[in-house]
Order: sequence, then structure tokens, then C-alpha cells
Amino acid sequence: DTGVSQDPRHKITKRGQNVTFRCDPISEHNRLYWYRQTLGQGPEFLTYFQNEAQLEKSRLLSDRFSAERPKGSFSTLEIQRTEQGDSAMYLCASSTQGRQETQYFGPGTRLLVL
Amino acid sequence: GNSVTQMEGPVTLSEEAFLTINCTYTATGYPSLFWYVQYPGEGLQLLLKATKADDKGSNKGFEATYRKETTSFHLEKGSVQVSDSAVYFCALRPAPDNDMRFGAGTRLTVKP
Repeated sequence: DTGVSQDPRHKITKRGQNVTFRCDPISEHNRLYWYRQTLGQGPEFLTYFQNEAQLEKSRLLSDRFSAERPKGSFSTLEIQRTEQGDSAMYLCASSTQGRQETQYFGPGTRLLVL
Repeated sequence: GNSVTQMEGPVTLSEEAFLTINCTYTATGYPSLFWYVQYPGEGLQLLLKATKADDKGSNKGFEATYRKETTSFHLEKGSVQVSDSAVYFCALRPAPDNDMRFGAGTRLTVKP
């Protein structure tokens, strides 16, 4: 399978704990995106990378959120001091660069903060 | 700003019925438009796309035409199947920005 993969698929944590999610993009894609999707809503953009550079961050990405893509391949999204409002599906997508780019999504990581 | 408004669901149809899910957009410039589908328990999959006015995207019997004059990108299928039951998301990618803007999704249930 050469699609976008995410790990873990599900995470249950207690409020105040830190969590980290991983995304492995399609191998030839140099752009990687993180989105958040809450129940009954469409995905909302959080941040994106071109290679290892983080080029854009949404104002939804509070100081408790940090994302990295150290070698321009996989990426991690960390949430510190989780809150119940962080409960959502976290989606990763990847694409090539260019006007015709299409973003391909992974299966997501579902986070539940108790 | 750049945004997408799509038809509220849920939509329930009988097999072989005609499907339309309305989507309108607000954007500056010339966005690309997309329909994604999310089957139960799965991630979003690209269904079709159109990158300029009057383009028609099509896939698996679904079609949508990029209408700049009405700022619309309605999804249609002539004869739905039970296997089409899913949530459908309309989305745009503003040019030259890179983040996608999604609608809230429309849940379609097709009954035998």
C-alpha cells in the first residue's frame, strides 16, 4: 500500500497529557498537510510543510500544538496538555507541488480526551 | 474570505434514484474545486476535481461542473447504488494558497 498512513489510528488520553501522532506521506510527495475534523464537520486546515519547512499555520494551531517534519519525509503532530476540546479526528494529507496538485488523505487518528 | 457551502443532509434515496448535492463557493481569484467522499470507517478519498471554469470532473458515474457564473460545483449521479452511501465533502483550494477549505459534508444513505 503506497497511500498516506497515520499512526496510531485511535488514541484515548486523559486531560493534561501530551500526545504525538505520526504521518507517513506518499513517498514522492513533498507537501504534507495536517487537518482536524470534528464530528459532523468538514476538515479544518492546521498547518502544512513543503519538504522540511513549515510554511503555513492556521490560527487554530494554538501554542500547545507543534508539528515537525525533520527530514522532509514523515511528520509528527504533538499536542501538549490536552484538553477535552482537542477531541477530534486528525487527518494528514500529502501532495506534489504545483497548480494541479491533489491532496491525498490518510485514514486519520481519532483522539479522545477524557 | 474563501469558503464552501454545501447542501445540508442527511439525504436518503432509493437505489437507482438521481442524486444532486449542491455546493456553492466564495473565493477570490480562481480556485480549484473538489469533491471528496468518506465511506464509513475510512479516510477521505478524492472523488473528482475541476481546476478551471467550465471544467467537468467525473469519476465512478459522478459528475460536477465548475460554474463560475453561479459559483457552484454541484455533484450529480444518474443512478445511485447502495455502495454510494457515504459522506460527501465539497472543497476548494484557493489560488495561490495551499490549504483546502471544506464544506460541512452531506451524508447520503441509499436504500435497496
